[in-house]
Amino acid sequence: AQSVTQLDSQVPVFEEAPVELRCNYSSSVSVYLFWYVQYPNQGLQLLLKYLSGSTLVKGINGFEAEFNKSQTSFHLRKPSVHISDTAEYFCAVTNSGGYQKVTFGTGTKLQVIP
Amino acid sequence: DAGVTQSPTHLIKTRGQQVTLRCSPKSGHDTVSWYQQALGQGPQFIFQYYEEEERQRGNFPDRFSGHQYPNYSSELNVNALLLGDSALYLCASSWGGINTEAFFGQGTRLTVV
Repeated sequence: AQSVTQLDSQVPVFEEAPVELRCNYSSSVSVYLFWYVQYPNQGLQLLLKYLSGSTLVKGINGFEAEFNKSQTSFHLRKPSVHISDTAEYFCAVTNSGGYQKVTFGTGTKLQVIP
Repeated sequence: DAGVTQSPTHLIKTRGQQVTLRCSPKSGHDTVSWYQQALGQGPQFIFQYYEEEERQRGNFPDRFSGHQYPNYSSELNVNALLLGDSALYLCASSWGGINTEAFFGQGTRLTVV
């Protein structure tokens, strides 16, 4: 069984400051990793994904994440946040190959303070 | 190109009733997955349909069932509704039974009273 842990339920950060949202996963097999964003009353939008290759993955809206196999982590970062980044962010994992179910973390609410 | 569409957007049901939620996948996609997102939680996988068959199932009781039609659209049925079934139900579509990039709909907000 796989699991995802997002230790921070809420992260407040001032506008234009950098942010890191933490994600750790547990799996006995190779994995694919994802970050999704959810704005209020909306579905989920894919920010970025790691399937293979370079461990530094760049996504939309200036976000990036680094896959660290030894630390079983996939932290999301942005060097300078905007008010519009206020949303909930979900880390997710599935078996490599992508044929198994996707398991989501409990989410981190990013609040950008003007 | 329409993305993933779900209907209805909101509904209210009484305990013990049955409900059907509908999902049309993104154009070109043939795989539909359903998730339940309770308030303040991450999405929980219910099941996935591919080639009109339920291919995978999460830890949900048999009260939750589904169907996929030849045009790849899908339905989620929940029988004997409980208060705890109140949640946002999300549909995600992808291609080829693979979960490398799923596109989500806006969800259906179900309230059971």
